[in-house]
Amino acid sequence: GESVGLHLPTLSVQEGDNSIINCAYSNSASDYFIWYKQESGKGPQFIIDIRSNMDKRQGQRVTVLLNKTVKHLSLQIAATQPGDSAVYFCAEMGGAGSYQLTFGKGTKLSVIP
Amino acid sequence: DADVTQTPRNRITKTGKRIMLECSQTKGHDRMYWYRQDPGLGLRLIYYSFDVKDINKGEISDGYSVSRQAQAKFSLSLESAIPNQTALYFCATMKRGNQPQHFGDGTRLSIL
Repeated sequence: GESVGLHLPTLSVQEGDNSIINCAYSNSASDYFIWYKQESGKGPQFIIDIRSNMDKRQGQRVTVLLNKTVKHLSLQIAATQPGDSAVYFCAEMGGAGSYQLTFGKGTKLSVIP
Repeated sequence: DADVTQTPRNRITKTGKRIMLECSQTKGHDRMYWYRQDPGLGLRLIYYSFDVKDINKGEISDGYSVSRQAQAKFSLSLESAIPNQTALYFCATMKRGNQPQHFGDGTRLSIL
């Protein structure tokens, strides 16, 4: 079946550097995408979302890029901090009338002080 | 106070026991969801509900049942627990339309 996946299961970055977490999706009907952050012992926390009529959206220190041509989603974190260490999930919602999210398996981001 | 509250946070029980996990929300959202999370498998949907009278099976509903007692409450039951149901369980809520889901902090369930 169609699914959402990630290119890298783990990512280590130096504090202060920028981080990029990638995600590939296969459902061409998906029209809404979300990035979540999950810290140990907690539930997934919403970071940023993007709709399919956009290719870029910025938040505080985070940017999501959507490339529909190659079905690729990325999360960029600027000036990565130790508090950014967590598992990051992408999720997609597929098409009109679909209110279910399909989640990727997650990328673990470790920030080196 | 948390917007989405799950109880209990941790539970250890034996094979064959009946278990109920509770979820309550103060966000006023119509839609509620139950997921399980296993290492290497990500989040998988068990059941979801769009309102009190609407219950739908998700990807992995076998062995589970749910009850939507009110807009704010959605419980998940394991009628006869088995060890491969050991996992982290999350409840989530969502507004209508394309909106993010909001998660509770989960229940860690271990079945011996």
